[in-house]
Amino acid sequence: NAGVTQTPKFQVLKTGQSMTLQCAQDMNHNSMYWYRQDPGMGLRLIYYSASEGTTDKGEVPNGYNVSRLNKREFSLRLESAAPSQTSVYFCASTLIRTSGFLDTQYFGPGTRLTVL
Amino acid sequence: AQKVTQAQTEISVVEKEDVTLDCVYETRDTTYYLFWYKQPPSGELVFLIRRNSFDEQNEISGRYSWNFQKSTSSFNFTITASQVVDSAVYFCALSVSGGGADGLTFGKGTHLIIQP
Repeated sequence: NAGVTQTPKFQVLKTGQSMTLQCAQDMNHNSMYWYRQDPGMGLRLIYYSASEGTTDKGEVPNGYNVSRLNKREFSLRLESAAPSQTSVYFCASTLIRTSGFLDTQYFGPGTRLTVL
Repeated sequence: AQKVTQAQTEISVVEKEDVTLDCVYETRDTTYYLFWYKQPPSGELVFLIRRNSFDEQNEISGRYSWNFQKSTSSFNFTITASQVVDSAVYFCALSVSGGGADGLTFGKGTHLIIQP
């Protein structure tokens, strides 16, 4: 099992450019998440998808869009990148059981994005 | 809203010393989950432990131990006989929804430096 994979690992954009960060998991998890990590801020939730076909905003959704392509894949899109979006982006996934019991959330290796 | 506070921004100890990382959480939910993650200099997030709100048993795993006290809303992490490889940023996190579908709330992290 590869777990949670993310592409690309590094990216440099100019202000105004667009790009999509890709995330895939092979653990048959139903819920997927996108976080950003900024120095001294911990990780903050951007968007999440509780199940295939649903997406919801997290704490810091402005400037981002997401797509839950299928059960395995959850992409994050920056339509018009801004320097404030310079950050490390982490994708995560977990299994939420029908009982509501929460499994462990596993993280991908991260994408380091710089917007000039 | 939920909140996780890690008051110690940085801790530096000499190898073989014991060290405790503090975590205080706030939530009105009676069912919640607490986590600790390790982020080594390489940047990935490594899961360490998950604890349910209805299980207050302390846990020990090798040199690591966790003390969960609902009365003080704390979930502290102790490393016994620290080693240089323990140097990392450690995050405490909280999930409160019935299924954790809305992601984790992270503290800002504690940077642990183990000096040889």
